Amino acid sequence: QSALTQPASVSGSPGQSITISCTGTSSDVGGYNYVSWYQQHPGKAPKLMIYGVRDRPSGVSDRFSGSKSGNTASLTISGLQAEDEADYYCFSYTTYRTYVFGGGTKVTVL
Amino acid sequence: QVQLQESGPGLVKPSGTLSLTCGVSGGSINSTNYWDWVRQPPGKGLEWIGEISLGGNTNYNPSLRSRVSMSLDKANNQFSLRLSSVTAADTAVYFCAREFGPYVPLGYWGQGTLVIVSS
Repeated sequence: QSALTQPASVSGSPGQSITISCTGTSSDVGGYNYVSWYQQHPGKAPKLMIYGVRDRPSGVSDRFSGSKSGNTASLTISGLQAEDEADYYCFSYTTYRTYVFGGGTKVTVL
Repeated sequence: QVQLQESGPGLVKPSGTLSLTCGVSGGSINSTNYWDWVRQPPGKGLEWIGEISLGGNTNYNPSLRSRVSMSLDKANNQFSLRLSSVTAADTAVYFCAREFGPYVPLGYWGQGTLVIVSS
């Protein structure tokens, strides 16, 4: 199975909105509504931000939202803040009950 | 709340076997159906290694399937990872994680442990 495709980097100014894409196939992203998104700060464990394409765990800011169209899932961060600067990874269920990550996107707050 | 802690040798020789344990504290391992392992080579992205269910069913990353095995020790509230025939490419931070919900296997994570493969 191949890693899902994410842009290497995305940047934005404080207060702006940015969107990170995650492209897979009909065997993963497109075939199931089981896409999650993780935020990882340097030296830390990843943190679950979005699951089931668009749902947020308790405690995650509503500035984070998820969506999906066809084989591409997206994470949007609204009202960008300095603390949002981190690496973001998408993660999807695939056929035969395996899972695959995206390559990761580094978000920079200008 | 349930906490996870990885433990094991930080240095493994090439061609050897990497063995890690994830201790579960603050709750029972029976509280969650799936328990997973993820790794991250230095400066690189995350890679899902596999998972084990309370019933002992396993699902592994196809790229690692021939070398990986996982087990569950309910009596000691822990689960384990073994990766055989390691090379320098297996050098990574290894994370254990527990399920958040159905089809969301990586809800809560351990802090991670660095394993270096070197002679």
